[in-house]
Amino acid sequence: RKEVEQDPGPFNVPEGATVAFNCTYSNSASQSFFWYRQDCRKEPKLLMSVYSSGNEDGRFTAQLNRASQYISLLIRDSKLSDSATYLCVVSLGGGADGLTFGKGTHLIIQP
Amino acid sequence: DVKVTQSSRYLVKRTGEKVFLECVQDMDHENMFWYRQDPGLGLRLIYFSYDVKMKEKGDIPEGYSVSREKKERFSLILESASTNQTSMYLCASSFLPSGSTDTQYFGPGTRLTVL
Repeated sequence: RKEVEQDPGPFNVPEGATVAFNCTYSNSASQSFFWYRQDCRKEPKLLMSVYSSGNEDGRFTAQLNRASQYISLLIRDSKLSDSATYLCVVSLGGGADGLTFGKGTHLIIQP
Repeated sequence: DVKVTQSSRYLVKRTGEKVFLECVQDMDHENMFWYRQDPGLGLRLIYFSYDVKMKEKGDIPEGYSVSREKKERFSLILESASTNQTSMYLCASSFLPSGSTDTQYFGPGTRLTVL
């Protein structure tokens, strides 16, 4: 059974701090990995893809550990606008039925 | 920018009614999807389509059907709505042909309440 597990939070973090959260996946055949962001009462939007070598986009860094089957998201110098739910998404690479969404981690940045 | 639109943001229906949820994308995407999102359960795939007139069952197709008569439009149908179908329904589309994985772009969602 394919599963993606995330800590639901909420993570309450002061503005300016660094926050990190992980996501574990059960299917070792998974090929592609993503982080989506979902604001309250809005649709999910792609935040970043996660590559084997790790990748960075501004204040956001994503890493993949295939041996331990987890991916991580690090947010540096957090802003109030980073408050959202972060969804971990894993794909088997075989089309839509290979996409599995985690239930999300709720992040609250406090002033 | 990719735009995915859904016919209604909020919808209230009665048990037993037939419900149509419409989704339109303007980027000529091949693939379209319907999900429902519930607290504590996350996003679950109902149906998807790789091409016009083509449909595939997702993880939770029971009680739903779909229609894709045109490439840009993907409809979700609840033949006889029930209270356990009260949920947020999200449509998504992506570009790459079947067998590939690509970014999915979501519509704003329809919050359906079945009384």
